[in-house]
Amino acid sequence: GAVVSQHPSWVICKSGTSVKIECRSLDFQATTMFWYRQFPKQSLMLMATSNEGSKATYEQGVEKDKFLINHASLTLSTLTVTSAHPEDSSFYICSASGSGETQYFGPGTRLLVL
Amino acid sequence: GNSVTQMEGPVTLSEEAFLTINCTYTATGYPSLFWYVQYPGEGLQLLLKATKADDKGSNKGFEATYRKETTSFHLEKGSVQVSDSAVYFCALSITDSWGKLQFGAGTQVVVTP
Repeated sequence: GAVVSQHPSWVICKSGTSVKIECRSLDFQATTMFWYRQFPKQSLMLMATSNEGSKATYEQGVEKDKFLINHASLTLSTLTVTSAHPEDSSFYICSASGSGETQYFGPGTRLLVL
Repeated sequence: GNSVTQMEGPVTLSEEAFLTINCTYTATGYPSLFWYVQYPGEGLQLLLKATKADDKGSNKGFEATYRKETTSFHLEKGSVQVSDSAVYFCALSITDSWGKLQFGAGTQVVVTP
């Protein structure tokens, strides 16, 4: 149980375009979802926390207009990287938690902006 | 503020060797402590956790004990296998923070045959 999927697993886009990444909890209802960014050989940096039906809470230094997060249902959250630039290239990981505090992580989405 | 400090890697071991990865933390509240593992090309998986002082988390031969007096949560395994090669992350979460996790930098472990 407690499976989280992400789509796509990797994406290449041109600079200036927007990219949407989906995160789904497949077998449980996720009241809270988290989005992280991971640079090569580095730890995960929390970008934002979202609760179903409410606005996401962004961590300090994360541009909310750049990284749009929508948590429309208890099983789906989306991250949209708007007007992507090469510096946005990274590994984006979502996680989801239900009634307990344990977070279950998706496999990640690798974004490359050319 | 809250923070997690892990020993730097990579840690290179021979198969069947004893593994220890040190983790210490600072926290303003009463955190729960976690170890996550990331295998090459995969997402993070919860390895074990402990929610209060003196709790011992264990899974797949790995153990870690929540030591409040030394603010530590060191990960140990008595006999590693090649399949244990991965990056290990220590993390904490504070109650009433929606379960937000603060991660350590991660420690890469390489086990050779």
